[in-house]
Amino acid sequence: DAKTTQPPSMDCAEGRAANLPCNHSTISGNEYVYWYRQIHSQGPQYIIHGLKNNETNEMASLIITEDRKSSTLILPHATLRDTAVYYCIVGRYGNKLVFGAGTILRVKS
Amino acid sequence: DAGVTQSPTHLIKTRGQQVTLRCSPISGHKSVSWYQQVLGQGPQFIFQYYEKEERGRGNFPDRFSARQFPNYSSELNVNALLLGDSALYLCASSNPFQATNEKLFFGSGTQLSVL
Repeated sequence: DAKTTQPPSMDCAEGRAANLPCNHSTISGNEYVYWYRQIHSQGPQYIIHGLKNNETNEMASLIITEDRKSSTLILPHATLRDTAVYYCIVGRYGNKLVFGAGTILRVKS
Repeated sequence: DAGVTQSPTHLIKTRGQQVTLRCSPISGHKSVSWYQQVLGQGPQFIFQYYEKEERGRGNFPDRFSARQFPNYSSELNVNALLLGDSALYLCASSNPFQATNEKLFFGSGTQLSVL
């Protein structure tokens, strides 16, 4: 599975959009981009995934560049409850995920 | 509906002992995966079971084993515990009717401490 690079931490003001970047320059054509988050003392929570088109659901939007070498997860209106570790994962199968260290997102009032 | 449930929530063992962790998937989910999360790191894939058969194994020693029962619940066994086995053990289940790019639903994990 391809490797991903994420910033170790980011801050965001409450109510503003949080944009979390992820680089995956070695992604293969049949690999998906998955995003999960982990709030302290809980298991990871699925957010969204995509192959090459931009995706949106009730939680977030996923923007994948045309060359698929990077992506951005957008939380449109961050709240304090969005403070968590966000993991960007690239893989062919959603059931054998290779997690990296992720990005610690701190939402501040 | 109940989510993924794991038991126990916390466990303390000593080196050399054996431990069994349990997981009940979401109703209707036939696939269960196990992950190990050491403090400060992301979860690492250990096993995946689907329809009671092992479908994937991560880079873990043979001291780690698992099985899945007819009701799709699962157990993870670790023998000859080492201090380095101290971690949060996470179980995840998934919907069998989605494609292989399914999403995982995680439990809250079992915190294992080896002294």
